Amino acid sequence: ETGVTQSPTHLIKTRGQQVTLRCSSQSGHNTVSWYQQALGQGPQFIFQYYREEENGRGNFPPRFSGLQFPNYSSELNVNALELDDSALYLCASSFGGLDSPLHFGNGTRLTVT
Amino acid sequence: QKEVEQNSGPLSVPEGAIASLNCTYSDRGSQSFFWYRQYSGKSPELIMFIYSNGDKEDGRFTAQLNKASQYVSLLIRDSQPSDSATYLCAVTSNSGGYQKVTFGIGTKLQVIP
Repeated sequence: ETGVTQSPTHLIKTRGQQVTLRCSSQSGHNTVSWYQQALGQGPQFIFQYYREEENGRGNFPPRFSGLQFPNYSSELNVNALELDDSALYLCASSFGGLDSPLHFGNGTRLTVT
Repeated sequence: QKEVEQNSGPLSVPEGAIASLNCTYSDRGSQSFFWYRQYSGKSPELIMFIYSNGDKEDGRFTAQLNKASQYVSLLIRDSQPSDSATYLCAVTSNSGGYQKVTFGIGTKLQVIP
């Protein structure tokens, strides 16, 4: 059973640039969600994908967008990067039910300068 | 009022003692409750989950849930230095057809040898 993998591990971007983060979900999981975790804070929900459709979104602007592919892997895209976007971005996969725990990848540390 | 509240700590306990971590939540419709452990610079990993009122034990860990008081806790018996980490409380509810997971800020636990 393969776990959740994310790439890249670290990324440094300049304000105004665009970034794409990638995630492969754990085998058997059909739901992928993305979280932003700033230093000293809990993970904040960005959005969730189920069967290639976004079915839930947190309080993030439209410049945060995503995709889920038929193999349940996913991408997070962030346009017009701002300094406050610097954070650990976590991808989590699950079976999608209310009692289904999240399985996290190792995260991508994004630094915006 | 935050949806999920935790004391950020740090909570310091001596090795071998019981560590008690607490969490309150605001949504009475919340249905599933999870505790994740996060080591510094790493991603969260699942420790315990609980769905029904009462206690649930797994090794040195006990999760307690009181839905009437909107309170969930995690007890760690015989605390070890390796338990030193941030413990995230996560609460799940059904939001428009998707599994909405809300995290607290996390409580930093320090186990003193």
